Amino acid sequence: EVQLVESGGGLVQPGGSLRLSCAASGLTFSRYRMHWVRQAPGKGLVWVSRIKSDGSSTSYADSVKGRFTISRDNAKNTLYLQMSSLRAEDTAAYFCAREMATSYALDIWGRGTMVTVSS
Amino acid sequence: QSVLTQPPSASGTPGQRVTISCSGSSSNIGANSVYWYQQLPETAPKLLIYVNDQRPSGVPDRFSGSKSGTSASLAISGLQSEDEADYYCSAWDDSLNGYVFGAGTEVTVL
Repeated sequence: EVQLVESGGGLVQPGGSLRLSCAASGLTFSRYRMHWVRQAPGKGLVWVSRIKSDGSSTSYADSVKGRFTISRDNAKNTLYLQMSSLRAEDTAAYFCAREMATSYALDIWGRGTMVTVSS
Repeated sequence: QSVLTQPPSASGTPGQRVTISCSGSSSNIGANSVYWYQQLPETAPKLLIYVNDQRPSGVPDRFSGSKSGTSASLAISGLQSEDEADYYCSAWDDSLNGYVFGAGTEVTVL
């Protein structure tokens, strides 16, 4: 079974840092581009970041550029999101998702991990 | 303010047809394919339509997508109670070099 499992969420103070992980199983992880998408409580989906299959290229939403870093370890089948200078508006459930090999569609999603930024 | 514009809500009775619109621009929908996601309450999003009108395996053919110019739409025919969910359109945006979502449409089955 193809599965993505996020972890690393929690409560962090404004200005703090957190690293999210997304463990992949049941798929050849190294073949796929991967994304992070977030959803604030009661709000819609917001794209955060994307990384190429070999990690050589990344892109970010303007709202997180310079503060968040996406990376991956293909040997460990794991995707990461390093978040720093966190703000209250970063409070959200963070989902990792796989991009289909033949289009930009996000066809496999994890269940998400909640990040709360509050003092 | 989302880059893609969707109505906040839509509704219908069981068996009816419901259509959700998604309006974008030349840098997103006008240049790239459209994707639709369904999010049931308290669950992760699920891919519903890809490349404008393609259904992944397992998605009922009651769901259909279309695209014309800088707009797209999702239709749900034969509406069922289990279709109550939030629906999001999305596309890659060449100007932003990123993925953009609509704000979502909440579908209610009356």
